Amino acid sequence: AQSVTQLGSHVSVSEGALVLLRCNYSSSVPPYLFWYVQYPNQGLQLLLKYTTGATLVKGINGFEAEFKKSETSFHLTKPSAHMSDAAEYFCAVSGAGTASKLTFGTGTRLQVTL
Amino acid sequence: GAVVSQHPSRVICKSGTSVKIECRSLDFQATTMFWYRQFPKKSLMLMATSNEGSKATYEQGVEKDKFLINHASLTLSTLTVTSAHPEDSSFYICSARPGQVYEAFFGQGTRLTVV
Repeated sequence: AQSVTQLGSHVSVSEGALVLLRCNYSSSVPPYLFWYVQYPNQGLQLLLKYTTGATLVKGINGFEAEFKKSETSFHLTKPSAHMSDAAEYFCAVSGAGTASKLTFGTGTRLQVTL
Repeated sequence: GAVVSQHPSRVICKSGTSVKIECRSLDFQATTMFWYRQFPKKSLMLMATSNEGSKATYEQGVEKDKFLINHASLTLSTLTVTSAHPEDSSFYICSARPGQVYEAFFGQGTRLTVV
């Protein structure tokens, strides 16, 4: 069984400020962790993923996330927010294998203000 | 990255009619595809896992006779919403994973409105 908890359904930051979106997971098997971004009326785009190896993973658009097994966390960060980062962000967990289901968190809407 | 194409992006249909949504993997073969439903301001709810050449596996609470899934080839899965009603209005998204790659790639989504 697996689940994802995203703390904060809405996060608002000023342009240029640090972005921190929180994600905690639970999984009965070694987790594969993902962050996706969704713009209005569009599908999901992968930002970054953790499978094995280095626990700090870098993704597109300047985002990165760190897998912390002891804290069962996979928080998403970006040093400096841009207006174009405003979107819905989903954390997801799965097991290994291409037939493994992805379990999504409830999402966090990021608002970026001037 | 791999490309998943979903069609149509928007559809409006009358109550009682059926609507078919296509999901294609354009540059890879997918033995497994996934269909999700997303309610406004909500997360993605997995509806079913589409298996090439065999029956789909539906999640608990999803009516398999209402949401017909066919995975006739390694690059195409279809979701048919039968006898649609206004409560079926939603955003439907498909995804697939190519080969041994662990991330899922998503279609653009289909906004279904039943009037």
